Amino acid sequence: EAQVTQNPRYLITVTGKKLTVTCSQNMNHEYMSWYRQDPGLGLRQIYYSMNVEVTDKGDVPEGYKVSRKEKRNFPLILESPSPNQTSLYFCASSRTQNNQPQHFGDGTRLSIL
Amino acid sequence: ILNVEQSPQSLHVQEGDSTNFTCSFPSSNFYALHWYRWETAKSPEALFVMTLNGDEKKKGRISATLNTKEGYSYLYIKGSQPEDSATYLCARISNFGNEKLTFGTGTRLTIIP
Repeated sequence: EAQVTQNPRYLITVTGKKLTVTCSQNMNHEYMSWYRQDPGLGLRQIYYSMNVEVTDKGDVPEGYKVSRKEKRNFPLILESPSPNQTSLYFCASSRTQNNQPQHFGDGTRLSIL
Repeated sequence: ILNVEQSPQSLHVQEGDSTNFTCSFPSSNFYALHWYRWETAKSPEALFVMTLNGDEKKKGRISATLNTKEGYSYLYIKGSQPEDSATYLCARISNFGNEKLTFGTGTRLTIIP
């Protein structure tokens, strides 16, 4: 089954404790992206990657890192999480062309205390 | 228009009625417009991707139109059903050579049985 898998689905942690949210897709998609969803603000793009070893900042990259060492994986790293990073996070993937729809994972709800 | 804007923010529609809502976006440097349907506790699902001025797309009772010159897209739902209750998101991609998506904040549709 074609899917985008995020882990964990839920996480409560404390300020400053490094964490990684994994994202993996099995569709051989070139393009992968991370979004955060906050009430009243819609989906905002954090980082995206157009292929292996190619990453670019989205609209809200501060406080996040990503890597794309393999085509299928695109982890989101919070080196020193802060409470303002409490949010619902989505990973998505698609084929490279701009006219291809995004396939979203099920979301990860992060709470930073 | 500087950002992607959706109106109305929320909408209540009687079952069986038809409805429509709007996505407005910057018309300059336009490349593609995406529509997604997002049910509560699920992840967004792609409805349409449109690129050409005058494009019309249809999926069952849902259709969309695109006007790239004036910077808007309409989503229509004919004969609303309770399962149409969801948030409908649009996202714009510019032709700056990257693939950054900018989402609107969505229209939350509730169908009243």
